[in-house]
Amino acid sequence: DGGITQSPKYLFRKEGQNVTLSCEQNLNHDAMYWYRQDPGQGLRLIYYSQIVNDFQKGDIAEGYSVSREKKESFPLTVTSAQKNPTAFYLCASSMWSINTEAFFGQGTRLTVV
Amino acid sequence: RKEVEQDPGPFNVPEGATVAFNCTYSNSASQSFFWYRQDCRKEPKLLMSVYSSGNEDGRFTAQLNRASQYISLLIRDSKLSDSATYLCVVNEGNQFYFGTGTSLTVIP
Repeated sequence: DGGITQSPKYLFRKEGQNVTLSCEQNLNHDAMYWYRQDPGQGLRLIYYSQIVNDFQKGDIAEGYSVSREKKESFPLTVTSAQKNPTAFYLCASSMWSINTEAFFGQGTRLTVV
Repeated sequence: RKEVEQDPGPFNVPEGATVAFNCTYSNSASQSFFWYRQDCRKEPKLLMSVYSSGNEDGRFTAQLNRASQYISLLIRDSKLSDSATYLCVVNEGNQFYFGTGTSLTVIP
């Protein structure tokens, strides 16, 4: 079955540690996205990538980093520079087309302890 | 100014009721529009795309008014299972913009 997979589902991090969230898709989608969702707020774009080895900052990129070494994979690293990392992180992918929808992974809930 | 704005609700309606959500978007050049459903602590899932001619899927009807830059979702004969948050989503040149969502609770 085609889809987009995020792991882990739950993640706990100590303050000052970097942590990497995994996102893999087998939909052959060109574009991949990382969003953050906080309670009562909409999804905010962290980073996106249109093609391999290229990515762009979104609205809230500070304290995060990404890589796109393979079309299927778009991992997100939450660094110690991110001051308030506790949130629900969603990875999405889509065809690079104006009329296509986004497909989401099941999300990673990150908690700083 | 937010790209996409929705009334956050909450909407609490009895089973069988009809409920309507509206959403406005700021960029007149926006190209495609969607309604997503998000259950508590889950990922958003596509409910339906929204076309200028309007489209219907069972109890759900979506409409787009480009002149007024708003999108609507109508749910008829509400079921308990319709309880969720409904997100309005706009695609602008492969950037997706999300409303904050409208919370719906259908009451027995």
